[in-house]
Amino acid sequence: AQSVTQLDSQVPVFEEAPVELRCNYSSSVSVYLFWYVQYPNQGLQLLLKYLSGSTLVKGINGFEAEFNKSQTSFHLRKPSVHISDTAEYFCAAGNQFYFGTGTSLTVIP
Amino acid sequence: KAGVTQTPRYLIKTRGQQVTLSCSPISGHRSVSWYQQTPGQGLQFLFEYFSETQRNKGNFPGRFSGRQFSNSRSEMNVSTLELGDSALYLCASSLGLLAGAHEQYFGPGTRLTVT
Repeated sequence: AQSVTQLDSQVPVFEEAPVELRCNYSSSVSVYLFWYVQYPNQGLQLLLKYLSGSTLVKGINGFEAEFNKSQTSFHLRKPSVHISDTAEYFCAAGNQFYFGTGTSLTVIP
Repeated sequence: KAGVTQTPRYLIKTRGQQVTLSCSPISGHRSVSWYQQTPGQGLQFLFEYFSETQRNKGNFPGRFSGRQFSNSRSEMNVSTLELGDSALYLCASSLGLLAGAHEQYFGPGTRLTVT
């Protein structure tokens, strides 16, 4: 079984609309959870991480994610996307040994 | 501070050859990790080095190896290249071990094409 599953490989969304990128992790990995963003021709950049404490985590660029232990999920959300949010998004778990296959977010003007 | 640098940025090799990729971490970072990125598999963890010692290893064959020098710079070597080794190889550095959930800073990657 995959340790990290990103259910959507591509997500198109109109500018200023809300978006949710889904991530599920295996309960066998330690519960450190991360979201990274990769802009075209660049390396990955950390958006946010969950280690413990509050289940709602706020990150950079207006993104937030909610840790849900019962559903083993860590979905990423943004209430209003911009063109500049077009990028590849990766969820990671455990000691960052496990990454999902990525979700390509395309913001449509 | 300068970011993580990787050299070369692009590389074309022939099956059976070997290749060495280099990574210079952010100054003060002691952990360097390597990942293979392919369209279908996403990022797959290769190994992590800390204080010149390999601390963790992913599920890759022995053809993939690495090392870290006293200045934390790291190299990755792939011997007997196969077509399936074509990928973007990413290096990331962090202040401490990945087990400490430290933020990783990624380089732009080396694009390896095996023909």
